[in-house]
Amino acid sequence: QKEVEQDPGPLSVPEGAIVSLNCTYSNSAFQYFMWYRQYSRKGPELLMYTYSSGNKEDGRFTAQVDKSSKYISLFIRDSQPSDSATYLCAITRSSNTGKLIFGQGTTLQVKP
Amino acid sequence: NAGVTQTPKFRVLKTGQSMTLLCAQDMNHEYMYWYRQDPGMGLRLIHYSVGEGTTAKGEVPDGYNVSRLKKQNFLLGLESAAPSQTSVYFCASSSSFSGAYEQYFGPGTRLTVT
Repeated sequence: QKEVEQDPGPLSVPEGAIVSLNCTYSNSAFQYFMWYRQYSRKGPELLMYTYSSGNKEDGRFTAQVDKSSKYISLFIRDSQPSDSATYLCAITRSSNTGKLIFGQGTTLQVKP
Repeated sequence: NAGVTQTPKFRVLKTGQSMTLLCAQDMNHEYMYWYRQDPGMGLRLIHYSVGEGTTAKGEVPDGYNVSRLKKQNFLLGLESAAPSQTSVYFCASSSSFSGAYEQYFGPGTRLTVT
């Protein structure tokens, strides 16, 4: 079993839709949960991260962690064509210097 | 402030050839990483370094070697390239203050081995 599982999509939505991206993980010891965004032929960039459980909001983006079910989500409100990219979830522990574990990535297309 | 840069951007190798990928960062970060990205596989960690002169194996280290002689540079070597090493390679760096989660990535090197 992979440590992080993510549906690769692709996911296609109309502009303005609410998007839900999800990952599951297997090891309850992980403490940091991240979402990276990767545009085509570019390197990933950190969107937001959450420590332990709970929600975190940044503009149109909300990250949610449910440690009891080992489930992490990223919600995008009022999606825009500029949000079209691949979204990668990643997890790590505070003791894991250098060991970010990435999901496979979900490709999102927002159509005008 | 260039962030993380990678050299070269593209390369085509024949099986058995060797090459070195260079990563440089100007953010004074302690930690540096090499990943490979393949379709449907996400990013997989090859090797990483927690400081000048140190290296450690990641998830998929076989067939690769690394060196961190200077804090700002992290080199990835392929001694005898194989078609299975066709991939996009990303270098990243992070500060020891923020931990591993906030990694800054370079633009990638697209390598094809024929």
